[in-house]
Amino acid sequence: NAGVTQTPKFQVLKTGQSMTLQCAQDMNHNSMYWYRQDPGMGLRLIYYSASEGTTDKGEVPNGYNVSRLNKREFSLRLESAAPSQTSVYFCASSARLHVGLTRPYEQYFGPGTRLTVT
Amino acid sequence: GQQLNQSPQSMFIQEGEDVSMNCTSSSIFNTWLWYKQDPGEGPVLLIALYKAGELTSNGRLTAQFGITRKDSFLNISASIPSDVGIYFCAGLSVGGGADGLTFGKGTHLIIQP
Repeated sequence: NAGVTQTPKFQVLKTGQSMTLQCAQDMNHNSMYWYRQDPGMGLRLIYYSASEGTTDKGEVPNGYNVSRLNKREFSLRLESAAPSQTSVYFCASSARLHVGLTRPYEQYFGPGTRLTVT
Repeated sequence: GQQLNQSPQSMFIQEGEDVSMNCTSSSIFNTWLWYKQDPGEGPVLLIALYKAGELTSNGRLTAQFGITRKDSFLNISASIPSDVGIYFCAGLSVGGGADGLTFGKGTHLIIQP
């Protein structure tokens, strides 16, 4: 059981380049999330997917798009990278919508992608 | 949006000491989670709290869900070197629109041998 995996682990982009961050989970979770972590700012939610086929904006969605490819995979795309998007990006998942769950909201995180935009 | 105030921002303690940190909010939360993050890694869930007044332990760690539902506390007893890291509280608000958690800014724990 790998839990939540993310690729790549590190990436350097030039301003204006595009890229997709990949995330996959093998815990059969319904909900998946993308956060960014910046010094002094904590973790901030970019987008989330409450269930397969749905996506919603979080606190800081501008400059990003997401795709919930299937139940396992949730990708984050930067169409035109900017230096302000230099950050560490974390994907997370939670069971969330299973009926009868007593502890649905616990989120489990991947190891992160460290992105630098120059 | 939701605001979580986590304190202290950093702690310098001696090995063997007990540690206390807390999070407070102006809003009511129905779930409190405590995470630990090691350098270069993702946050790892330590304790989850779902009911006001709940007190839960995980080894040397004990966390409490405040009665007012606006705060939570984490205590670490007899600290050891591997406790070093950043501890985050996270809360899920009652009727919150976004499904994501609101995170505190972290308490950086440094242990001096």
